[in-house]
Parts: sequence; C-alpha cells; structure tokens
Amino acid sequence: GAVVSQHPSWVICKSGTSVKIECRSLDFQATTMFWYRQFPKQSLMLMATSNEGSKATYEQGVEKDKFLINHASLTLSTLTVTSAHPEDSSFYICSARTGVASTDTQYFGPGTRLTVL
Amino acid sequence: RKEVEQDPGPFNVPEGATVAFNCTYSNSASQSFFWYRQDCRKEPKLLMSVYSSGNEDGRFTAQLNRASQYISLLIRDSKLSDSATYLCVVKRSGGSYIPTFGRGTSLIVHP
Repeated sequence: GAVVSQHPSWVICKSGTSVKIECRSLDFQATTMFWYRQFPKQSLMLMATSNEGSKATYEQGVEKDKFLINHASLTLSTLTVTSAHPEDSSFYICSARTGVASTDTQYFGPGTRLTVL
Repeated sequence: RKEVEQDPGPFNVPEGATVAFNCTYSNSASQSFFWYRQDCRKEPKLLMSVYSSGNEDGRFTAQLNRASQYISLLIRDSKLSDSATYLCVVKRSGGSYIPTFGRGTSLIVHP
C-alpha cells in the first residue's frame, strides 16, 4: 500500500519554542493531506485539511496562527506548532489521500509525539 | 450529539470468541464508511471499507444500516493479535469528503 512518512517521530521541546513536523507521501501524489491530534485515550481530532497550493481549512476551535500548515507540493505538507506550550503535548498524525472520491483511501503517517516541557 | 459515536469498551474476550462493535453516525448525508485499527501508540491502519451490501474479509464482517445510521464490525474466532482499538470512520458529503473518526472501541483478547 501507499506509504506516508512523518518526521520527526518524537520531539521534546521547551515551552515557547516552535516545532515543525513534516508529512510526506512517498510513492503517490496527495492532493489532500489531513492533520490530526490525538490525546491519550481520545479519538483522533481533525485539526485541518490541507490542499496543495492553497490555504489549509481549519476545524472549529483550532487556531490557524498557532498551527501553521504549508502544503507546498503534492508530496509534502508541514505543520508548525508555534510557541508551543505543555497543553500542546500530543500525538500529531498526518494522513494523505490518494484521490478525491469519497471511497479513496487515506494513508496515515506513523505520527509525531510532541512533548512540551 | 457527537457526529460519530462508539462504545469505548474495553471489550474483554477470550481467544476464539466472536465479538461485535457498533458505531452510530448522526449525519444522514454521510457517504462512506470505514473501520480502522489502531495499536497502542501507533497510527491507524485501514481494516476494511463498509459497503451497503455488507462485506466480509476473512474473520471480519462489516455491515451498514443506513436507515438506523449505524455500522457494525464482527470479528469471529478472535486472536490475541486482534487486541487493538477499532476506529469507526465516516466521511461526510462535500467537496473534500472530510473523514470523522469515532473515539474507538478497545478490544482485549486474552488466552
């Protein structure tokens, strides 16, 4: 199946710093990528939908100035957590979709575990 | 009411048992339905799509009931390796077919 990578797989940072997470589709072009956040024992919460070459669409309650998303190419999307705080500590997962039909499969990256001290 | 609801469990069953999970969705215009499996501290992986006519993949059977707005997953002859969280995913209609995840149902299969 299709492969999606994320980098880094885990990061520990001090409060107030910014962290960039990369999501790449390795063997297919992804017109749409999704960014999720998952807290322990919680479901995946969609943060934003990212389409190549256009601004991301953020879900209600997600601060677009805090979570900067760039989808510069069909194989790369980045999420930057700006001025991170301990409450931003979470498991961030990206996914990429192979097409635009409702039945198209989403492939998930392995996730990035962020810990903010 | 949440868009996608699942009983979080955990469902604790012995090896060889048959177990079923349900998932209800609130948006009647939802188009596509999936079951994903997520192991602890890992990303979700697609288990199977759910079709209106129902579909089966080995020990796994998925069904969709549009009238009652729920989907189900049946696992027969449970294995220890089936222990995981099973996520129900519903895609709502619209240009981008946005996926919505349920909270997941935890399954523990014991010897």
